[in-house]
Amino acid sequence: AQTVTQSQPEMSVQEAETVTLSCTYDTSESDYYLFWYKQPPSRQMILVIRQEAYKQQNATENRFSVNFQKAAKSFSLKISDSQLGDAAMYFCAYRRDTSGSRLTFGEGTQLTVNP
Amino acid sequence: GAVVSQHPSRVICKSGTSVKIECRSLDFQATTMFWYRQFPKQSLMLMATSNEGSKATYEQGVEKDKFLINHASLTLSTLTVTSAHPEDSSFYICSAIHLAYGYTFGSGTRLTVV
Repeated sequence: AQTVTQSQPEMSVQEAETVTLSCTYDTSESDYYLFWYKQPPSRQMILVIRQEAYKQQNATENRFSVNFQKAAKSFSLKISDSQLGDAAMYFCAYRRDTSGSRLTFGEGTQLTVNP
Repeated sequence: GAVVSQHPSRVICKSGTSVKIECRSLDFQATTMFWYRQFPKQSLMLMATSNEGSKATYEQGVEKDKFLINHASLTLSTLTVTSAHPEDSSFYICSAIHLAYGYTFGSGTRLTVV
């Protein structure tokens, strides 16, 4: 079974600084997708970024970028120029490259942004 | 984009009663929907996978007779918590798969059983 591990229950960053959230996963599949979701206090799940395992290039979405290390099964999220609105719970997630497959979530990292 | 509407957002029910939560894909058809449960400051725990026109697939440890899932149309899945007890109090979230936008989540339902 696939597992996703986020070893940082809590992280904090100063506004305008950069922070990296860690995620590792375990799978025997070669094709899969990885995601970072944000859950603010409203508890609405928001997709931050996604990465296809077959792509070597790291995904980037504005201030958000990932460091995808397939051999190491590592998928970290870097948030640049942190803003107060980035404060949220962040979940790393995995899914197999099969139609209709489920998402497997990590435990989450609570990010605090200090003004 | 894809929108999933979940209703109600909050519900309080008495112990022993049943409560129904609806999950609708507003502008797309979803053959597969997922139901999650989330405790405070914890991750989303998959309860079941709902497939249109067929029985739901429940995760190990989830009581199928207690958490009834119906996916009778391509835009609606419902979760009914039967004979609710205080330990069923939690945050429930649904998700649907959109072909272009991927997984889209409802805004969640906070259930309180008193």
